[in-house]
Amino acid sequence: GAVVSQHPSRVICKSGTSVKIECRSLDFQATTMFWYRQFPKQSLMLMATSNEGSKATYEQGVEKDKFLINHASLTLSTLTVTSAHPEDSSFYICSASRAGGPNNSPLHFGNGTRLTVT
Amino acid sequence: GQSLEQPSEVTAVEGAIVQINCTYQTSGFYGLSWYQQHDGGAPTFLSYNALDGLEETGRFSSFLSRSDSYGYLLLQELQMKDSASYFCAAKWDSNYQLIWGAGTKLIIKP
Repeated sequence: GAVVSQHPSRVICKSGTSVKIECRSLDFQATTMFWYRQFPKQSLMLMATSNEGSKATYEQGVEKDKFLINHASLTLSTLTVTSAHPEDSSFYICSASRAGGPNNSPLHFGNGTRLTVT
Repeated sequence: GQSLEQPSEVTAVEGAIVQINCTYQTSGFYGLSWYQQHDGGAPTFLSYNALDGLEETGRFSSFLSRSDSYGYLLLQELQMKDSASYFCAAKWDSNYQLIWGAGTKLIIKP
């Protein structure tokens, strides 16, 4: 089955530093990847849609300069949280869908990254 | 606006059957997906309905009625490991973007 690898699974960083999260589709090509954020006991909030070879599309209210997204290849997208603050602490999840797949292709999720900013 | 409504919590007994409902309101609609998420984990895909009717996958079934903007997930022969949150998500455009419900926490008692 389709596998999406997300790294790191947990990261603790100090306020003001930057953190990079990687999302890789291991056995399929993904022209589009999605980055979500999830607070405890809440639903997934779409942050941005990452398109290979072009600029990411950010959802309303998400600062593109703070959450830098790079999708340089068909199998890798990265999210960098710049100048992290404690309020950025959250569970970040990436997902991808198989390029050229049928209309009912499911989203495959990475295992998520729990970010704690101290 | 676009939204999905599902119950926040459902409680059932091990071995029983439980149904989790989802109603949706979206500007476009391609289909309804269901995902399972255990605490601390990522969502895993369960099912997708694009057409009206029932889709069965083992102990799990999913139903869609486009005319009623309604779907449900049916879990049979409940096991303790089924304790998780279940999300319905509507695909509203062709780019795989989903609108997510708030999730239903399924509590299973022995």
